[in-house]
Amino acid sequence: GAVVSQHPSWVICKSGTSVKIECRSLDFQATTMFWYRQFPKQSLMLMATSNEGSKATYEQGVEKDKFLINHASLTLSTLTVTSAHPEDSSFYICSAWTGGGYGYTFGSGTRLTVV
Amino acid sequence: DAKTTQPPSMDCAEGRAANLPCNHSTISGNEYVYWYRQIHSQGPQYIIHGLKNNETNEMASLIITEDRKSSTLILPHATLRDTAVYYCIVIYNQGGKLIFGQGTELSVKP
Repeated sequence: GAVVSQHPSWVICKSGTSVKIECRSLDFQATTMFWYRQFPKQSLMLMATSNEGSKATYEQGVEKDKFLINHASLTLSTLTVTSAHPEDSSFYICSAWTGGGYGYTFGSGTRLTVV
Repeated sequence: DAKTTQPPSMDCAEGRAANLPCNHSTISGNEYVYWYRQIHSQGPQYIIHGLKNNETNEMASLIITEDRKSSTLILPHATLRDTAVYYCIVIYNQGGKLIFGQGTELSVKP
């Protein structure tokens, strides 16, 4: 099946620094990718929709200047958490639509801890 | 997209069938039912999806009622590795946004 590779798996950063998370579609082209955030014991919350070659679409309440999304190619989307703070600590997950057979494929997630 | 209702948690004995219900009473004719599961600290994993007919694959079976207002995911022989949160999602626009509800936390016990 289709694979979405997400890196890094975990990252620890200092408050005020920026962190970039990458998602790559390995064997298919993804014109659209989705970014989610998940806090402990909670469900996945959609943050934004990443569109190749155009601006991302953010869900209500998500700060676009804080969570920068770039989708420069059909196989790569990145999420940059700028000026990270401890409250940004969370599990970030990306996904892409792979077609009718398998629906949406998800990355393995990135555990971000801001200290 | 139609909202779904799932029990927050369920237990199942290892080796027995796990039947996970989902209510989607406001589903429309063109909306698909998707099931995903999330094992702790991993990304969600696709299980199965369907529109009107029952479906079966190597992982599970999906039973959709005739009026399409509810469905049941069946794991025929649950193992400890099936312990996870299972999400039932209804979506009209395949390829569009996938919105997760709270899901059902399934615990498979020896």
